[in-house]
Amino acid sequence: NAGVTQTPKFQVLKTGQSMTLQCAQDMNHEYMSWYRQDPGMGLRLIHYSVGAGITDQGEVPNGYNVSRSTTEDFPLRLLSAAPSQTSVYFCASSPVGDRGPFFGYTFGSGTRLTVV
Amino acid sequence: AQRVTQPEKLLSVFKGAPVELKCNYSYSGSPELFWYVQYSRQRLQLLLRHISRESIKGFTADLNKGETSFHLKKPFAQEEDSAMYYCALISGYSTLTFGKGTMLLVSP
Repeated sequence: NAGVTQTPKFQVLKTGQSMTLQCAQDMNHEYMSWYRQDPGMGLRLIHYSVGAGITDQGEVPNGYNVSRSTTEDFPLRLLSAAPSQTSVYFCASSPVGDRGPFFGYTFGSGTRLTVV
Repeated sequence: AQRVTQPEKLLSVFKGAPVELKCNYSYSGSPELFWYVQYSRQRLQLLLRHISRESIKGFTADLNKGETSFHLKKPFAQEEDSAMYYCALISGYSTLTFGKGTMLLVSP
């Protein structure tokens, strides 16, 4: 049981480049989300999904796209990277309904992104 | 709108001293609150859920609805407790709102 797997662990991009951060979970969790972690800002929600085919914006969605074609995968796309997107990105998942969210989230190990 | 406030960015204590990490929340409904811990450059891990009223690694937290607080406490800090601690609130449909975090440093 791998839990939540994020790839890559590290990435350096040039301004204007695009890339996709991958997130996969094998716990059959309906809910998945992306957060960015910045010093002094805590974790801020970018996008989330309550099931395959359903996504919604969080607190800081600009510059990011998501899709949820399967229960397992929730990729985050940076359309045109900017230095302000330099951050650590965490993916998280949880069950919903009777099995959660009271059990809290399972987090991935993070992707450290630098945009130069 | 929901909000979680952790007033201290940094809390520095000596080993064996009591620890209290403060968390206040603002939420119109019945809150579900959590504490998460992040050791150096690792993933966030669930530490406590208020509904389970459990004690993990010697930490406890009590929900005080009157003061809208959910402070994290430990009577005797250990060096291995040094980490970033986040208070979080469930709102809406499974969405967690986090505070900005408090770094706990425990010195020998």
